[in-house]
Amino acid sequence: QITLKESGPTLLKPTQTLTLTCTFSGFSLITPGVGVGWIRQPPGKALEWLALIYWDDEKHYSSPLNSRLTITKDTSKSQVVLTMTAVDPVDTGTYYCARLRDYGDFGDWGQGILVTVSS
Amino acid sequence: DIQMTQSPSTLSASVGDRVTITCRASQILSSWLAWYQQKPGKAPKLLIYKGSSLASGVPSRFSGDGSGTEFTLTISSLQPDDFATYYCQQYSAYSYTFGQGTKLEIK
Repeated sequence: QITLKESGPTLLKPTQTLTLTCTFSGFSLITPGVGVGWIRQPPGKALEWLALIYWDDEKHYSSPLNSRLTITKDTSKSQVVLTMTAVDPVDTGTYYCARLRDYGDFGDWGQGILVTVSS
Repeated sequence: DIQMTQSPSTLSASVGDRVTITCRASQILSSWLAWYQQKPGKAPKLLIYKGSSLASGVPSRFSGDGSGTEFTLTISSLQPDDFATYYCQQYSAYSYTFGQGTKLEIK
């Protein structure tokens, strides 16, 4: 059974750095073809892909947010960490991590974590 | 980056209706398209992958079709559990884009 769970702060002030951790089980990030991504969703709005890391440590980021994001993995802990610098109230939303499948879709999702940015 | 445009944004329908949601890409997709269902307060659930393949456990009343720049998700006979928001998602050149969503409401 594949599970993913997001953890991290739920309230930040503007300009702070957000660090989210995705802890997963049921698969390994050393298996060729496997990836873990981060997707967010502002309240009442659409899903937005943020970043993705592959088994071979290749990383890709959303163009608009590229300069603010860093994604890393710790295969020994089965964790993927997303860092977002200089948060703003527009970064408020639910942040999901998800497992990337071979066909470019996200087959398994965490429950999400609601992050609020407010002064 | 490839943009994905879904239509309609909102769809009102009744139980038993056949409904179709369209997703258009800003350029021809060289890779695959997926569809997700999301209910309030829940994570998205994969319905369709590779444009037309049904994900595990998804009822056969859901189907996907299309190629190039235009793709559709069809629900053949709406059930009460199907009223939710639906998103398409493309993967191309290490970039992933979601559509803006279609909210399926009870008429």
